[in-house]
Amino acid sequence: QKEVEQDPGPLSVPEGAIVSLNCTYSNSAFQYFMWYRQYSRKGPELLMYTYSSGNKEDGRFTAQVDKSSKYISLFIRDSQPSDSATYLCAMSALVSNFGNEKLTFGTGTRLTIIP
Amino acid sequence: EAQVTQNPRYLITVTGKKLTVTCSQNMNHEYMSWYRQDPGLGLRQIYYSMNVEVTDKGDVPEGYKVSRKEKRNFPLILESPSPNQTSLYFCASSLLAPSTEAFFGQGTRLTVV
Repeated sequence: QKEVEQDPGPLSVPEGAIVSLNCTYSNSAFQYFMWYRQYSRKGPELLMYTYSSGNKEDGRFTAQVDKSSKYISLFIRDSQPSDSATYLCAMSALVSNFGNEKLTFGTGTRLTIIP
Repeated sequence: EAQVTQNPRYLITVTGKKLTVTCSQNMNHEYMSWYRQDPGLGLRQIYYSMNVEVTDKGDVPEGYKVSRKEKRNFPLILESPSPNQTSLYFCASSLLAPSTEAFFGQGTRLTVV
């Protein structure tokens, strides 16, 4: 079983819809939760960053973390064609200069927003 | 402009011919790492470096080497490439540990025939 599970999609929604992307994880030591967005032929770029449980909002994007259920979500409101990309969840155990607190990634969900 | 630069972007090579993929960052980041991205498997870490002359294996290090002689550069070396190393490779850097924001390069698409 993978440490991080993410539905690969693809997911197609009409412009203006609310999009929900999700990941589940098994490692209870994860404390830092991130969403990266990857456009075709580009490297991933950080979209949202959350520590521990709770919600974080940034414009049209909301990240939710439920540590009790080991479940994280990314919501996109008023989705735009420019949001079409692959969305990768990523998690890490702690922040330190000692040891490899590596990022563990989900496989990514390919999202298409239809105009 | 803050960036991570990888070269080449595309590479086709033959089995057994040594190659190097270069990676350079201009943000004075301590932490650098290499990933490979394969369909259905996501991003998997190959090697990482906490600082100059400090490197260690990630999840899939077999068949790869790295070095960190300068803070800004972190080349990936394939001494004897094989077809199962055909993949999309990304270099990334972070200010400290990767729990802080990771900046990724544009990727190198490698095909080994």
